[in-house]
Amino acid sequence: GESVGLHLPTLSVQEGDNSIINCAYSNSASDYFIWYKQESGKGPQFIIDIRSNMDKRQGQRVTVLLNKTVKHLSLQIAATQPGDSAVYFCAENSGGSNYKLTFGKGTLLTVNP
Amino acid sequence: DSGVTQTPKHLITATGQRVTLRCSPRSGDLSVYWYQQSLDQGLQFLIQYYNGEERAKGNILERFSAQQFPDLHSELNLSSLELGDSALYFCASSVGANTEAFFGQGTRLTVV
Repeated sequence: GESVGLHLPTLSVQEGDNSIINCAYSNSASDYFIWYKQESGKGPQFIIDIRSNMDKRQGQRVTVLLNKTVKHLSLQIAATQPGDSAVYFCAENSGGSNYKLTFGKGTLLTVNP
Repeated sequence: DSGVTQTPKHLITATGQRVTLRCSPRSGDLSVYWYQQSLDQGLQFLIQYYNGEERAKGNILERFSAQQFPDLHSELNLSSLELGDSALYFCASSVGANTEAFFGQGTRLTVV
């Protein structure tokens, strides 16, 4: 069945370092991918998205890379800050024209000051 | 603040009971989605409505139902509650059926 999984359940980095969070997806038909950040007690917050016709997209301090050949997504956070500490989810749109997101299990990012 | 409002924030109820969770989407958003988040299952898509009509269905139990009203708010009804239904229930909304969705703060349901 469809599944989105994460290689690392936890990641601990020093403030100022770059962080890389990885994600594998299994549905080769998925055409839209999103990274969400979830802080304790809050709902998932959109970070960045990428469509399957792209392999890289950059935002403010974040970059998403998509490798369709190996069905792999990564989220790079530059100059990680304590405020970046949260659980990060990758999600794929498995609903075609509908927004039916399949979420990975999440990676807990801890930024040490 | 995403602009999506969910009530109540917390809900404690007994097994066998029925509850209703409410969601007000962001102004202008036509699409509403419901997700369940539990420790063992992660974030699971339940159901999507677009402009009042059901658009997509995920792993939603038969004991659960939802609807979207003419004013676009949505309700998720959970009946014959079981201990395993304890979870965070999130609502999200988006402008279209395949555009970025914004999540509410969630309703934490505890079944005792």
